[in-house]
Order: sequence, then C-alpha cells, then structure tokens
Amino acid sequence: DAGVTQSPTHLIKTRGQQVTLRCSPKSGHDTVSWYQQALGQGPQFIFQYYEEEERQRGNFPDRFSGHQFPNYSSELNVNALLLGDSALYLCASSLGQDLQYFGPGTRLTVT
Amino acid sequence: AQSVSQHNHHVILSEAASLELGCNYSYGGTVNLFWYVQYPGQHLQLLLKYFSGDPLVKGIKGFEAEFIKSKFSFNLRKPSVQWSDTAEYFCAVGITGGGNKLTFGTGTQLKVEL
Repeated sequence: DAGVTQSPTHLIKTRGQQVTLRCSPKSGHDTVSWYQQALGQGPQFIFQYYEEEERQRGNFPDRFSGHQFPNYSSELNVNALLLGDSALYLCASSLGQDLQYFGPGTRLTVT
Repeated sequence: AQSVSQHNHHVILSEAASLELGCNYSYGGTVNLFWYVQYPGQHLQLLLKYFSGDPLVKGIKGFEAEFIKSKFSFNLRKPSVQWSDTAEYFCAVGITGGGNKLTFGTGTQLKVEL
C-alpha cells in the first residue's frame, strides 16, 4: 500500500519564476492538504482540497494556488517566486477529516 | 487563531536519560493534540494523538504524553531514550469540528548521545 508520494524531491528555481509541485495521496484517501516548512520552523498550513475544491486556506498570498484532480492527486503552484518561498513543501492526505498522513516533501530552493 | 509553543528548541541527552518535551497551546475551545516526529531524511510520522478520554496517551516507541487542560499543555515523555530517538519533534493542534487542519509548533531538535 503506497503512502503519500510527492514529486519532485528537490527543485531549484530563480526569483520571479513559477513552480508546480505534485502529490499523490495514500490509497483510499480523498483529501489533500499542503504545508510549508521553512528552515527551523514547523509546518504551516497552506490549503486543503476536497472534491476538487479548495476547502480551507491558511494565511498565504494568492501567489499560492492549487488544484485537485478526479483521481484525488493534487498540485501546488507558486507564482512570482520570492527568496522567502524557499522551504520544504509537505503534502498530507486523509480520508475526509480523519488523520493526516504526510509525504516526504519537496525541497524548493529559490535563488 | 490558535498557536503552539514548544519551549525547548534543542535538547541533548545521553542514552537512558529521561525525556520531557514541553508543548503549550493557546485556544479556548476543544482541541485535538498530536506529537509528530521527523527522523533525519524521513517524513513526518505520528507518535501519538489525543482526541478525548484518558488524558494520558501512549504512542509508539515507548512515548507518552499527558494532556493537562488547565495548563493548556501536552508534554511528551519517554522514560529512557535511545540513540535512535535522535530526531525533530513537533507538537500540533487541531480544532475539534474545524476540520483536520493542523497548527504546528516550531519543533524541538533532540540529539541522543551514546
């Protein structure tokens, strides 16, 4: 039973560019949440997707957007990258509002 | 909005020493409480959780935590740590009835020396 998978593992981008991160939820899960973990900090909630719609959103600017596909996989898009967007981006999946399972993360470096 | 404070940012212990990591949260309503661990190079894993009932909860690998409602605390304990417990530990809070969005503390880096 595959857990939560994320791609790519690492990514380097330049300021001003756009990036797309991908997440496949654990088998049987239908809800995907995204978190940003800056260096030395705990994960911060970005948003959550269920039934292909954004259900909840944290305190992140509109440059952060997402999408959920009919197979429950999800993408996180960040436009106009800033140096401060450098972080580990975590995807977590769940069955509805049950316990979340986290993926290994995508390490984004913005130069 | 709720917030989580973890008092110890870095802890160094010798093997067999006892561990207690502090966690306090601020929220006036009912909460769900979690401790997650992140071993070097690995993803976040759930150590234990509290939803309701017995305030002393036991998790994996000999960890336990006690919810003290009057102190808004959920401290993590282990009687005897091992070198393999070296990791970063995160306390997290979810609001009951508010979905499963989690608010995390800043984490405690634990190093266990042989």
